Amino acid sequence: DVKVTQSSRYLVKRTGEKVFLECVQDMDHENMFWYRQDPGLGLRLIYFSYDVKMKEKGDIPEGYSVSREKKERFSLILESASTNQTSMYLCASSLPFGTGVDGYTFGSGTRLTVV
Amino acid sequence: AQSVTQLGSHVSVSEGALVLLRCNYSSSVPPYLFWYVQYPNQGLQLLLKYTSAATLVKGINGFEAEFKKSETSFHLTKPSAHMSDAAEYFCAVSDRSSAGGSYIPTFGRGTSLIVHP
Repeated sequence: DVKVTQSSRYLVKRTGEKVFLECVQDMDHENMFWYRQDPGLGLRLIYFSYDVKMKEKGDIPEGYSVSREKKERFSLILESASTNQTSMYLCASSLPFGTGVDGYTFGSGTRLTVV
Repeated sequence: AQSVTQLGSHVSVSEGALVLLRCNYSSSVPPYLFWYVQYPNQGLQLLLKYTSAATLVKGINGFEAEFKKSETSFHLTKPSAHMSDAAEYFCAVSDRSSAGGSYIPTFGRGTSLIVHP
């Protein structure tokens, strides 16, 4: 069964800490994505990557960075966590654009609380 | 530019009743359309997708959706609700031309389906 695995289900961090959210997929997908999900706002794209070492900003990249050193791993980094970054974070992966439309495969999410 | 609107943040039905979750989209080109389901404390799971083949699309768990170009709609239905259908449902649209041809879908804000016994 194909999977996208997020390393933590729940995370509590202090304001100002550097936070790493890890995502690993075993489907050999080229594309990987980070979203945050907030009540009433749906899913908002933070960053995505279509290849190793490649990254593109999504709709809300401020306060975040990403790293993709290996095809299967896509990390989201909060350089200095703030309380307004308390949210559910979802990682997803997909086939390359234009080669088929199978939708996304999502991880189970990381619920981050910044105190 | 693409956008998607889900009418109703909450929909409440009785067990056994028809489920209808509404989704309207805007797109400058023929779209790809998706419905995802999210059970509590889980990620999103693909229910079904429309990719310009048959306009009536059947998905998992007895759900189906019909693409209506004239109404720019892609409503999700299920003839008979089950308690296990209680979840958050997201509609998404990709117009295959956004952000330099990146195909990245835009998600609606979600509709919470509540099923009463």
